[in-house]
Amino acid sequence: KAGVTQTPRYLIKTRGQQVTLSCSPISGHRSVSWYQQTPGQGLQFLFEYFSETQRNKGNFPGRFSGRQFSNSRSEMNVSTLELGDSALYLCASSLEAGTGYEQYFGPGTRLTVT
Amino acid sequence: DQQVKQNSPSLSVQEGRISILNCDYTNSMFDYFLWYKKYPAEGPTFLISISSIKDKNEDGRFTVFLNKSAKHLSLHIVPSQPGDSAVYFCAASSYSGGGADGLTFGKGTHLIIQP
Repeated sequence: KAGVTQTPRYLIKTRGQQVTLSCSPISGHRSVSWYQQTPGQGLQFLFEYFSETQRNKGNFPGRFSGRQFSNSRSEMNVSTLELGDSALYLCASSLEAGTGYEQYFGPGTRLTVT
Repeated sequence: DQQVKQNSPSLSVQEGRISILNCDYTNSMFDYFLWYKKYPAEGPTFLISISSIKDKNEDGRFTVFLNKSAKHLSLHIVPSQPGDSAVYFCAASSYSGGGADGLTFGKGTHLIIQP
């Protein structure tokens, strides 16, 4: 079974631009969660999508948004990029919603904002 | 305020010995705990989990112990192997609350297995 895939793997953007990251979950998994990893803050929960609906969102500004498609694939968007948005963005999928199910992570997208 | 703490940024253990990684949490609502392992340039890989109704869960060389009264959990790896060298993350969630807040992670412990 193929794992979680994320595209692109690396991205360089400049301040003020916007970016869209993509995540394809494991086949049959209906929940997709997004996390941001930085050296200072560690891994932080961004949001979770299930059945094309956002279930909850972590403590991030409205510049961070996402969506989920009917095939469970998900995208996250960051608008008006700031230097502090430089991070590894990880997507995780699980069978059902909520964290009672193990989450399986993709390799991440490394975003650098200059 | 960090709700999940891994107080040892790194740990060095000899091959064949036991590795013990520790994790403390402060949120009483957490009732489901997981350990993930991460190699450089890869996403975290799920290792083992434990529900708050148990105090021990074992899977091969990996055993997780949960002490609810102390709000402490630990991961034991026996015997330690060179391939175990990685960063280990402790994570927690409020499963009974629907887990809608995602996983809360510690900042990780870098385990180094020395030959």
